[in-house]
Amino acid sequence: KQEVTQIPAALSVPEGENLVLNCSFTDSAIYNLQWFRQDPGKGLTSLLLIQSSQREQTSGRLNASLDKSSGRSTLYIAASQPGDSATYFCPGHGNNRLAFGKGNQVVVIP
Amino acid sequence: DTGVSQDPRHKITKRGQNVTFRCDPISEHNRLYWYRQTLGQGPEFLTYFQNEAQLEKSRLLSDRFSAERPKGSFSTLEIQRTEQGDSAMYLCASSPSGPSYEQYFGPGTRLTVT
Repeated sequence: KQEVTQIPAALSVPEGENLVLNCSFTDSAIYNLQWFRQDPGKGLTSLLLIQSSQREQTSGRLNASLDKSSGRSTLYIAASQPGDSATYFCPGHGNNRLAFGKGNQVVVIP
Repeated sequence: DTGVSQDPRHKITKRGQNVTFRCDPISEHNRLYWYRQTLGQGPEFLTYFQNEAQLEKSRLLSDRFSAERPKGSFSTLEIQRTEQGDSAMYLCASSPSGPSYEQYFGPGTRLTVT
């Protein structure tokens, strides 16, 4: 069974600082990897998808990398903004399901 | 493309009652998933459909839970004889055919069992 650990569990940063969120998997046989954000009481919004043949993906201020050999992924958010405050998830794709950790809860202080 | 929609958005019910939730996936997405999320946790997989076929069910899906996807379009999730432990956010997601399996989530249905 795939288990996902996200570090740090929670962090607060002043606006403008860069954010680094880490994700590790017990089973490195990950097919694809998606990073999501979730605002309180809302559904999940897909941020980036790293497909099985890729090592990283970029969208605007966001960059995500995947190292399958070590079973780790990192989401980097440059120049954080208050609107980046949310919980971030990095479930691994496998066997027709996503396996989620508890998330990284981020607060960006104006 | 209007995204994944779920109805109702909120449901309050008394213990022992039955409830049914609906999910409308993005049109032409042949894969549909249900997840459950409790406070402070990540979503947990419940079940997966490819077209109208239910291909996988989690052990979390007890006998009181049933899901259907008639005609491979919308899906319903029914919970019979609700218990307080069923209180959670129920999330639906869909993905297109093809190798990416990228999942798109709906806004969720918040269930409160009193």
